[in-house]
Amino acid sequence: GGIITQTPKFLIGQEGQKLTLKCQQNFNHDTMYWYRQDSGKGLRLIYYSITENDLQKGDLSEGYDASREKKSSFSLTVTSAQKNEMAVFLCASSRQLTEVFFGKGTRLTVV
Amino acid sequence: TQTVSQSDAHVTVFEGDSVELRCNYSYGGSIYLSWYIQHHGRGLQFLLKYYSGNPVVQGVNGFEAEFSKSDSSFHLRKASVHWSDSAVYFCAASMGNYAQGLTFGLGTRVSVFP
Repeated sequence: GGIITQTPKFLIGQEGQKLTLKCQQNFNHDTMYWYRQDSGKGLRLIYYSITENDLQKGDLSEGYDASREKKSSFSLTVTSAQKNEMAVFLCASSRQLTEVFFGKGTRLTVV
Repeated sequence: TQTVSQSDAHVTVFEGDSVELRCNYSYGGSIYLSWYIQHHGRGLQFLLKYYSGNPVVQGVNGFEAEFSKSDSSFHLRKASVHWSDSAVYFCAASMGNYAQGLTFGLGTRVSVFP
């Protein structure tokens, strides 16, 4: 078995701040994803990467950057945190046409 | 553009009852469909998937789902629910190029009462 580790679990930022969320997987999966989960809005794809150094924009990429420097890690940067923003960011990984494994999430609060 | 819709936001059932959670999608090509469960405060866990073959697929913990191309549906069922099945259930779909990520429905919250 494998695991997806997201750090930090809780992130409190200030308006306008640049914030970075990290994700590590030991499944040796090629594809990794970042989703944002808002209450009542389900999950929305921010960025995904099909291999090391690859980046693909999802539906919600504006306001975010991502980096896939190693196969096992995928980081997400909130370029300028919005006041009162509150969401859970979920990292995931998969091989093609198999189940997607999710991390436990990073809960972001912007004050 | 593909969409996934889950018509019920909240379903309430009693322990031992059967439950069906509806999922419909809009996409004309080959599609990969799956269901995930999220217990309160936890990450998403995979339940089952369909891509081709037998339209009825079995998942973990007694869950099964049936794909219907004519109805554009992939409903999830369980014959007898347990209190531990209380959670939010997400239907998700991807086009033939699976690497492009999953499109999720808004989720159905299932509350199981004793």
